[in-house]
Amino acid sequence: AQSVTQPDIHITVSEGASLELRCNYSYGATPYLFWYVQSPGQGLQLLLKYFSGDTLVQGIKGFEAEFKRSQSSFNLRKPSVHWSDAAEYFCAVGGTSYGKLTFGQGTILTVHP
Amino acid sequence: DAGVIQSPRHEVTEMGQEVTLRCKPISGHDYLFWYRQTMMRGLELLIYFNNNVPIDDSGMPEDRFSAKMPNASFSTLKIQPSEPRDSAVYFCASRQGPDTQYFGPGTRLTVL
Repeated sequence: AQSVTQPDIHITVSEGASLELRCNYSYGATPYLFWYVQSPGQGLQLLLKYFSGDTLVQGIKGFEAEFKRSQSSFNLRKPSVHWSDAAEYFCAVGGTSYGKLTFGQGTILTVHP
Repeated sequence: DAGVIQSPRHEVTEMGQEVTLRCKPISGHDYLFWYRQTMMRGLELLIYFNNNVPIDDSGMPEDRFSAKMPNASFSTLKIQPSEPRDSAVYFCASRQGPDTQYFGPGTRLTVL
């Protein structure tokens, strides 16, 4: 069965600091991996996705993520956080063999000025 | 494209009433998903359709919940009768094949 673990429920960083959100997945084949962001009162918006090819993927709003097959990880990074990045972030895994995505529990990001 | 459209955006109803949530997926998408999000349980997949056919409804909480997709451009999620514990934000999402899944803005349901 596929699963996603986001070990950090809540992360607090200062504006301008770097950020890394962790995501570990379990999947029986080559995974499709996604990061979504949800601002309060909003739906989920896609930040970036990995299907194949280059393991370092770039997304919107200056985010990037690196797929590491050996570690079953797909961590999200940003070199300098802005106050507007405060939101909840979800990692998800899927693939061609399964119809549905499996989402992690989410990581809430708080940004201090 | 207008994206995934959900209506209503907010619904307040009394316990025992029937509630119908509506979703219009992105044109051309062959998968449609219904999720429920609460503080306690996070994001839960309720049911999903492929080419208008329900594929997995194992997440539907109980018989009070039902979902239909009469055509490729419309789906409903019905709760009858509604209970206070059904209060949540309900999201619809759609996608084409294994590609990116797009979410609607959600319907915030409050059952008094």
